[in-house]
Amino acid sequence: DAGITQSPRHKVTETGTPVTLRCHQTENHRYMYWYRQDPGHGLRLIHYSYGVKDTDKGEVSDGYSVSRSKTEDFLLTLESATSSQTSVYFCAILRLAGRYEQYFGPGTRLTVT
Amino acid sequence: QQQVKQSPQSLIVQKGGISIINCAYENTAFDYFPWYQQFPGKGPALLIAIRPDVSEKKEGRFTISFNKSAKQFSLHIMDSQPGDSATYFCAAMEGNEKLTFGTGTRLTIIP
Repeated sequence: DAGITQSPRHKVTETGTPVTLRCHQTENHRYMYWYRQDPGHGLRLIHYSYGVKDTDKGEVSDGYSVSRSKTEDFLLTLESATSSQTSVYFCAILRLAGRYEQYFGPGTRLTVT
Repeated sequence: QQQVKQSPQSLIVQKGGISIINCAYENTAFDYFPWYQQFPGKGPALLIAIRPDVSEKKEGRFTISFNKSAKQFSLHIMDSQPGDSATYFCAAMEGNEKLTFGTGTRLTIIP
């Protein structure tokens, strides 16, 4: 599992509230990613990080922000949650040994009511 | 703009048969093409991957066929088993950082 944990694993929140999801890795990988998975859309990149305090936007970044103050933690924040952000969120790291391989965490199911 | 198109959305194959999932891409700068397998409640896991300098890669019952001129690649699962029932995603990477995923294929293997 590449030492990736996500918390919380499940969350129900109300529209308009801020939400922070945490991704934690234990293997000191440089690259970390946040995706959302929705039926019919596959996995879409929200934001990614290529080092401490170095982040960039993905294809669906509106309404999301990220922070990476330590190598091991990558936080995803929904500033003001909306029902369209109900989704399963996956964190991933990029392992560069031998072949490029993104390892995914177990996911967080977020429901915005 | 969907840069990687995947088909079919769902596929039912009899046990022992061949499962085939297809993907097409537009961006000729893509230089790494992995396939991911995802079981319910789990994150996707890398299954097999290919670079465009080869036309085929085989690992056990799983084979990627790659057609650079047509900008297409496909996953073949030989002797499909019920344990192969999962959702499969193709993907493409440009450079070394970001993956673009297809929309997924839900594969069901029936006895």
